[in-house]
Amino acid sequence: GENVEQHPSTLSVQEGDSAVIKCTYSDSASNYFPWYKQELGKRPQLIIDIRSNVGEKKDQRIAVTLNKTAKHFSLHITETQPEDSAVYFCAAPGAAGNKLTFGGGTRVLVKP
Amino acid sequence: EAGVVQSPRYKIIEKKQPVAFWCNPISGHNTLYWYRQNLGQGPELLIRYENEEAVDDSQLPKDRFSAERLKGVDSTLKIQPAELGDSAVYLCASSLGETSGQETQYFGPGTRLLVL
Repeated sequence: GENVEQHPSTLSVQEGDSAVIKCTYSDSASNYFPWYKQELGKRPQLIIDIRSNVGEKKDQRIAVTLNKTAKHFSLHITETQPEDSAVYFCAAPGAAGNKLTFGGGTRVLVKP
Repeated sequence: EAGVVQSPRYKIIEKKQPVAFWCNPISGHNTLYWYRQNLGQGPELLIRYENEEAVDDSQLPKDRFSAERLKGVDSTLKIQPAELGDSAVYLCASSLGETSGQETQYFGPGTRLLVL
């Protein structure tokens, strides 16, 4: 099955700085890569996703890049704000399609 | 439009007791997922339904866990008997079920289970 590794496990940044989270996956058949944000005690919510036919996707302050050759993808948050503080999870489906395997999560703390 | 609904939100039970969780997916979503999320970790898939059919239950501990989605809409997940290690958040998610492998999964608020 798919194996997804996520780094770093914790990330502390100053408000206004950028944050980058990286994930690697093992199954070259994976073709869809979502990122979820989970605030304390709340449900995971999709913030951005990318499909394998593009290398980069941007939505306001959030961007995701994908390198299929190296089998890694990254989340970039620019101009971080205190409300960006949360745990972020990456995921990949592997060859099984809708069976998402999640990374271990990155706890992001944005210091005002 | 209502999101994925789960109940109860919290449950505290003693070990060896049974417990059940309920999920109502987003209207029109054919695929339903049950995940378990341990503290500080990402969600792990327990079972996936496409309509009434369980198409992936390889991660479900079948000796004590069971699930059903009889009419292809809402679903229940049961644990009997519960063990201390079952303490976790149980998340339900749903997706349209039209595009294999590239669909957004929408999560419910989860049921936080504590087994004493």
